[in-house]
This record gives sequence, C-alpha cells and structure tokens, in this order.
Amino acid sequence: DGGITQSPKYLFRKEGQNVTLSCEQNLNHDAMYWYRQDPGQGLRLIYYSQIVNDFQKGDIAEGYSVSREKKESFPLTVTSAQKNPTAFYLCASSERRDGANVLTFGAGSRLTVL
Amino acid sequence: AQSVTQPDIHITVSEGASLELRCNYSYGATPYLFWYVQSPGQGLQLLLKYFSGDTLVQGIKGFEAEFKRSQSSFNLRKPSVHWSDAAEYFCAVPSCSARQLTFGSGTQLTVLP
Repeated sequence: DGGITQSPKYLFRKEGQNVTLSCEQNLNHDAMYWYRQDPGQGLRLIYYSQIVNDFQKGDIAEGYSVSREKKESFPLTVTSAQKNPTAFYLCASSERRDGANVLTFGAGSRLTVL
Repeated sequence: AQSVTQPDIHITVSEGASLELRCNYSYGATPYLFWYVQSPGQGLQLLLKYFSGDTLVQGIKGFEAEFKRSQSSFNLRKPSVHWSDAAEYFCAVPSCSARQLTFGSGTQLTVLP
C-alpha cells in the first residue's frame, strides 16, 4: 500500500545535539511538508518542498533544516539552535486535485529533549 | 490572510448522541475546506473536503459537513457518535499561496459510554 513512513516513532535527545527525522513516501507526490504539533496549538508549518532540490521556509523554520535530494524523501534536522524542540512532528505529502493540495500524513515522530 | 477558527477546544458527548463541531474560516475567494481527524499519537486522516458544487459534503466514517458561505462556516456533523470517534478534529484551508494548508487549533472530542 502507498503511504508515508516516518522514523523513528520516538526519539530522545540531549540538549545541544542535532537529530534528523526521516520521512519517506511512495505515493509519487511532488510536494512534501513538515509540521510541528504542540498541545492546543494545532499544526504549524516548518518547511515545505514543491519539487526535488527546492524547498521553502514555513512559519517556524528557525532552528530546523531540510533537504530534498529525492522525490521520495524529505528529512528534517532539528538543530541545537531550536530552543524548544520537544514536540510531535508530522510529515505530509500532497497531490494536486481540482486546484488544491490534498495532504496525506505520516504517523508522526515524537521528539523529547532531556 | 487565510485562517480558520475552531471555537470549541473540547467537546464531550454521549455515545449515540449527535455531534456538531464548528469551523469558521476567513478566505478571500470561494474556499477549499478540509476536515481531518487525529487519533492519539497518530497522524492526521482526511475525513472530507469541499471544493465546489453541493454544499453538503459526505465523508468517511459517517461524517458530513455543510459549507455555508453566508456564515463563513464549514461545520462537521455526525448523527450518532460511536466510542471510536473519540479523537481530535482539525479544520483546514489553503494558505494564501494555496501551496499548503493552514490548520485550526483543533477540537478534542470525548465520547462517554
């Protein structure tokens, strides 16, 4: 079945360490996204990519970095510059239908900073 | 800027009762509108979407939503709630660029036995 795979499901990090969250999709979607979810705040966009080798900052990109070297993959690195990285991270991809992007989500990765 | 408001942070209903979750949007033109559901510790699943045409939209799991332009609303409804419907529900609209979605803050649904 086609879908989005995020790994790891749970990740613990010490302060000052960079960590990379993996996101792989086999839906043949061009666009991919990273959202951050905190309790009571909904989803906030970190980065998105419309096409390979191109990506744009979202609303809360500071302290994060991404790459898009392959259509199927969109890894997110949480750097030590991110002041409050403990959160639930959601990756998504989208297809264009009738002029709108319809997002499909992965199961998420929960990052905890110790 | 496009935005969406979900006025209810938390709603509790009894199993078998009807449900309505509110969503109000701000959008410059005829909007595309979405409802997603999230079970604890999971990703989001698309329940239904409105693009154009019939203002009453049917989705999965017995949910429906009605687009009301005069009220800038897209409320989600279900006639009889099941315990498995307990989850968090998000309304969403496209961003100004239409390249991604802007989500509401979510409504947490609790279902009592």
